[in-house]
Order: sequence, then C-alpha cells, then structure tokens
Amino acid sequence: DGGITQSPKYLFRKEGQNVTLSCEQNLNHDAMYWYRQDPGQGLRLIYYSQIVNDFQKGDIAEGYSVSREKKESFPLTVTSAQKNPTAFYLCASSSLSGRAWSYNEQFFGPGTRLTVL
Amino acid sequence: KNQVEQSPQSLIILEGKNCTLQCNYTVSPFSNLRWYKQDTGRGPVSLTIMTFSENTKSNGRYTATLDADTKQSSLHITASQLSDSASYICVVSVPNFGNEKLTFGTGTRLTIIP
Repeated sequence: DGGITQSPKYLFRKEGQNVTLSCEQNLNHDAMYWYRQDPGQGLRLIYYSQIVNDFQKGDIAEGYSVSREKKESFPLTVTSAQKNPTAFYLCASSSLSGRAWSYNEQFFGPGTRLTVL
Repeated sequence: KNQVEQSPQSLIILEGKNCTLQCNYTVSPFSNLRWYKQDTGRGPVSLTIMTFSENTKSNGRYTATLDADTKQSSLHITASQLSDSASYICVVSVPNFGNEKLTFGTGTRLTIIP
C-alpha cells in the first residue's frame, strides 16, 4: 500500500446515486490512475492523470468522472450512468521518467469495494 | 480478447514445496513485464519488473524469467510459505513516451496448505 490511501474500504450505494471514492498519495508522484477489478478479469483502466488539472480517459471511462485539483489527490466519482458499478476499485500512482522506452513502477492503494444495493 | 494469458487459474500446493506460474502474452510492442502479488481484498504489490533485455530477475524466494522471443514468462516460488497464498498477476507494458499502457492478466490464485 505504501504512501497511497483509499477511502472508504467498503462502500454501499443505492441505484441512481453518485458516489465518490477518495485516493490520496504522499509519494510526490506526478501520475495517478484508477482501475476497476472484477472477478475473473484483469484490471481495467478507468482514468489516468499525469499532471494537475489534466486527465485522460482509459479503456472503460463511461459512467465515471475524475478531478485532479491537487497533485496528491485523484478522486473518482461513480455516477448513476455506470450500469454495473459493483466492483473492487484500485488507485495507483507513479513517477514519470519522461524518457521513451523507460518504465515507471505503479504503486497501488488498498482498494475500495463498492457494492450497489 | 485478453492479450495476457496466465496459467493455471488456480493452484494448491503444500507448504515448503516449489511451484511455477506461467504467463503468455501477445502484446506488442513490448517494453517490460511485471509480476504482482495481490492478497485478498488488498492492492497489488510489485514483485519484479523485467525489460525486454532481461531474462531473469529474483526477489527473495521469487524468481521471474522472461523469453521475449516466445513471449513467455514464468514466476517460480521456492520453499513456499503460508503467506504466499495470494493471486499473482502478470502485467505487460506497451511503451508510451513518458508513460505506459499496462495490460493485466487475470491472475493465478495460489493457495498454500500446511
């Protein structure tokens, strides 16, 4: 888990409600990511941000929104438009090397399990 | 279609035994391959990262191998412990200047029994 915190650990939502998942990091990382994990599937990228006030859609952004007002914070809102929001949500962060063919290790938070009732 | 395939899906072994997990990928171009360990209900933790020029890397009792020609990787766990019970996820990275796109396998669920 390192320097990444996610809250809450468990979240229950009624259909039609928006909910916001918190992600904070104290690693001074430029990049932050949101993934969704479902049973039997690999992690899928929802949104990512490489700099404050800028973010990009991932592979499954529909029904989600994010903001990046501070370097250390990247909250995810699951809107009522997300048809199947029950899942385990993981936030990650990494530095950015700025060099082609380089890698940046992603550090993951402990996750938030969202259940729609 | 998932471009990172892991096998077996699940594995049960006795404490103290060794085991090997497999990962085949079709992702291209290839930058690096990672193995993560994920305990139930927790976030993944990195075990190894190998670039295309590396063919083996160790982290304690974990040894990962990579054959970039056949696009195969394996994770070998030596002298397993109860704490090794977890899911092990293979992740392949496609280069993107200053950032990367990661493709995740579905994981191998490993259970160590006493």
